[in-house]
Amino acid sequence: SYELTQPPSVSVSPGQTASITCSGDKLGEKYACWYQQKPGQSPVLVMYQDTKRPSGIPERFSGSNSGNTATLTISGTQAMDEADYYCQAWDRNTYVKFGGGTKLTVL
Amino acid sequence: QVQLQESGPGLVKPSQTLSLTCTVSGGSISSGGYYWTWIRQHPGKGLEWIGYIYYSGSTYYNVSLKSRVTISVDTSKNHFSLELNSMTAADTAVYYCARGPMDRKAFEIWGQGTMVSVSS
Repeated sequence: SYELTQPPSVSVSPGQTASITCSGDKLGEKYACWYQQKPGQSPVLVMYQDTKRPSGIPERFSGSNSGNTATLTISGTQAMDEADYYCQAWDRNTYVKFGGGTKLTVL
Repeated sequence: QVQLQESGPGLVKPSQTLSLTCTVSGGSISSGGYYWTWIRQHPGKGLEWIGYIYYSGSTYYNVSLKSRVTISVDTSKNHFSLELNSMTAADTAVYYCARGPMDRKAFEIWGQGTMVSVSS
């Protein structure tokens, strides 16, 4: 079955750039999206179709997807960005797959 | 603005069937072009897709749960439902319903989630 792999944790200093990766076989040939989840809250979509931001998501969030890796980049990271981030893609265009999640710490 | 709200029992006994409902407000579940989806999250763990249904009634399920899952739509009540049978402690999780446009291949609207515990 198709698997998506994320690093368990990423740390970044406030104001710096955070990059969260998601790896999967030929992931660049699929669309990837990203969700942000803060403690006790439902996930929020922050990126879809690799590079598109939903309405209301700050411009400091950007995405890319090529080869076997999709990346969510947060520029000028703020304390409010501290959260768990999950990538998601589709296996055979039918089955939904989530990555294991990455805990972003802003310190 | 479309909102989703899960409802159902917070506690289920082992071997019983879990039944959850996701009520859609602010829009019609009959409008085409969306995945109506169930996703769960075990305590302290990541997200696990359970399955989805199209407005047409077609369903797709996680292979690991397929033998125990049924997702259905009731357009008259503007809600969709999840049934998961033969529940065990391993099914203890927060269950979310979500909606996503098919052309975006992502889930834009999520319910608040409902915690389901399996215990005798």
